Amino acid sequence: AQSVAQPEDQVNVAEGNPLTVKCTYSVSGNPYLFWYVQYPNRGLQFLLKYITGDNLVKGSYGFEAEFNKSQTSFHLKKPSALVSDSALYFCAVGPGAAGNKLTFGGGTRVLVKP
Amino acid sequence: KAGVTQTPRYLIKTRGQQVTLSCSPISGHRSVSWYQQTPGQGLQFLFEYFSETQRNKGNFPGRFSGRQFSNSRSEMNVSTLELGDSALYLCASSLDTLGGNTIYFGEGSWLTVV
Repeated sequence: AQSVAQPEDQVNVAEGNPLTVKCTYSVSGNPYLFWYVQYPNRGLQFLLKYITGDNLVKGSYGFEAEFNKSQTSFHLKKPSALVSDSALYFCAVGPGAAGNKLTFGGGTRVLVKP
Repeated sequence: KAGVTQTPRYLIKTRGQQVTLSCSPISGHRSVSWYQQTPGQGLQFLFEYFSETQRNKGNFPGRFSGRQFSNSRSEMNVSTLELGDSALYLCASSLDTLGGNTIYFGEGSWLTVV
């Protein structure tokens, strides 16, 4: 069985400061890892994914994520947060084999203050 | 290129009724998945369809069903609605069922059961 944990319900950061949203996972085999963002009353918007290769993955809107196999983590980062980054962020893990079933973490609300 | 389109966006139903939600995947995408999002349970996988066949199913009662048409469009149906079925229902599409594909989500259908 696969699982994802997002240990922080909310992250507060000042605009211009670095933003980190934490995610740890548990999966058999090689993980497929994803980050999505959800704005109020909207669907999920894809940010980035890790399949294989370089441990640092770059995605949309200046976000990046670092895959750490030994710590089973996939933290989302942004060097300089914007007020418009305030949203709900979800980490998800996909099956190592075929299929598109995603298992999501509980989500982390990010609040960027001006 | 149009994204994942879900209809209707908002609907209100009465307990005991049934509801059908529709999803048109991104052009060329043949895999469609459905998720339920609630404040209490978070994002939960309902089922995945590929080539008109259900490939995977989540842990939901038989009242929840779905199907996929030859043009990859999908519908999900919930019969005998309960208050707890009130949720945001998200459709997602992907190229195929090979693991690691980017999975794109629609804006969702907001269902309120009264």
